[in-house]
Amino acid sequence: QAQLVQSGAEVKKPGASVKVSCKTSGYTFIRYYMHWVRQAPGQGLEWMGTMNPSGGGATYAQRLQGRVTMTRDTSTSTVYMELSSLRSEDTAVYYCARAYSATTIPSENWFDPWGQGTLVTVSS
Amino acid sequence: QSVLTQPPSASGTPGQRVTISCSGSSSNIGSNYVLWYQQVPETAPKVLIYRNNQRPSGVPDRFSGSKSGTSASLAISGLRSEDETDYYCAAWDDSLSGWVFGGGTKLTVL
Repeated sequence: QAQLVQSGAEVKKPGASVKVSCKTSGYTFIRYYMHWVRQAPGQGLEWMGTMNPSGGGATYAQRLQGRVTMTRDTSTSTVYMELSSLRSEDTAVYYCARAYSATTIPSENWFDPWGQGTLVTVSS
Repeated sequence: QSVLTQPPSASGTPGQRVTISCSGSSSNIGSNYVLWYQQVPETAPKVLIYRNNQRPSGVPDRFSGSKSGTSASLAISGLRSEDETDYYCAAWDDSLSGWVFGGGTKLTVL
């Protein structure tokens, strides 16, 4: 059974960077795209981007372009999301979420399973 | 401001049927499948409906989805107290080349 386990909570100062990890198990790592979704306190869900663990290529949400980087380590079946130039509005729970199907057509997919979430707090 | 529009709240009494709407545009709902997620506070979302109206195994048939044009709906029949939580619609957006979500609907069971 596929499982995603994320790294622990982080507190960062404005302007700093944060790197969240998502360790996977229970499936063939390189077969399924991985997504990152965040949720600010009391707010809705926001898709941040996706990466292909096979080749390492990533696509990012337009509003986060230039600040977000998604990478992976195939030897440990772990994906990473780094967000730079942090501001208070980046305070949120960050989730990794695997594409349910191995299809490369994004519109025909959905997110399942999800990691447990990582709270990132940006405060001076 | 979310790309997909949902009512912020909805309510019903036990046993009742409630619907939650989700409005989008031709670049998202109008041309792609709609998903519905259920999120219990402090936990990760869980998919309730995929491909407009399909239920994953384990999701009760009290939950159903539909789509027409650039709008979609989630219907919950035989409302139960455990249904009181948050619901989000989502779809791929061809113009943005990314996933978009609704702002979420908090369902209250009176």
